Amino acid sequence: GAVVSQHPSRVICKSGTSVKIECRSLDFQATTMFWYRQFPKQSLMLMATSNEGSKATYEQGVEKDKFLINHASLTLSTLTVTSAHPEDSSFYICSATRTSQETQYFGPGTRLLVL
Amino acid sequence: QKEVEQDPGPLSVPEGAIVSLNCTYSNSAFQYFMWYRQYSRKGPELLMYTYSSGNKEDGRFTAQVDKSSKYISLFIRDSQPSDSATYLCAMSTGGGNKLTFGTGTQLKVEL
Repeated sequence: GAVVSQHPSRVICKSGTSVKIECRSLDFQATTMFWYRQFPKQSLMLMATSNEGSKATYEQGVEKDKFLINHASLTLSTLTVTSAHPEDSSFYICSATRTSQETQYFGPGTRLLVL
Repeated sequence: QKEVEQDPGPLSVPEGAIVSLNCTYSNSAFQYFMWYRQYSRKGPELLMYTYSSGNKEDGRFTAQVDKSSKYISLFIRDSQPSDSATYLCAMSTGGGNKLTFGTGTQLKVEL
């Protein structure tokens, strides 16, 4: 299989706090991981691409200082939403690819609600 | 014009019907084509993966790619209520490049 997990599955936090979301590939080594956000009834919006041991590449319009990505190992990437505000409330999904493969395997998503 | 066009639906069919879902695209460099199924409040699940033109069958699902027309399709035979979900097409140029997604088609299979 190609299983990707995310933790937590949902989080509620106060405005101004930081939230960390973990993405793990459970049964394969992921050379590349991707982070997306998805608003209701919309498609996925790519936020950034991260390769193990390298700095993440952010899509245009995504603030790298607000959405900190760390890809410390071949099985773990983290997304930290710093100083979260209500407009950051969304569904955040990660995906991972195996070496030399094009398909992305997605995690179950993390629902973030900022009050 | 978007790089990938997909009818958002909703598409409602009776149980047992054959479902046809489609995407068109404009970038002739796309070589890898995928279909994902996404249930509400869940991450997308890979259904089918095709490289270049041709057909691929897996159980009740058949994926078709026509690169000359820049058109891809997913057929679902003997549709079931459990197939009710949003279906996303996705494609890439390869080399580990990012996926470009369609907007997704919402499918409802009714008893």
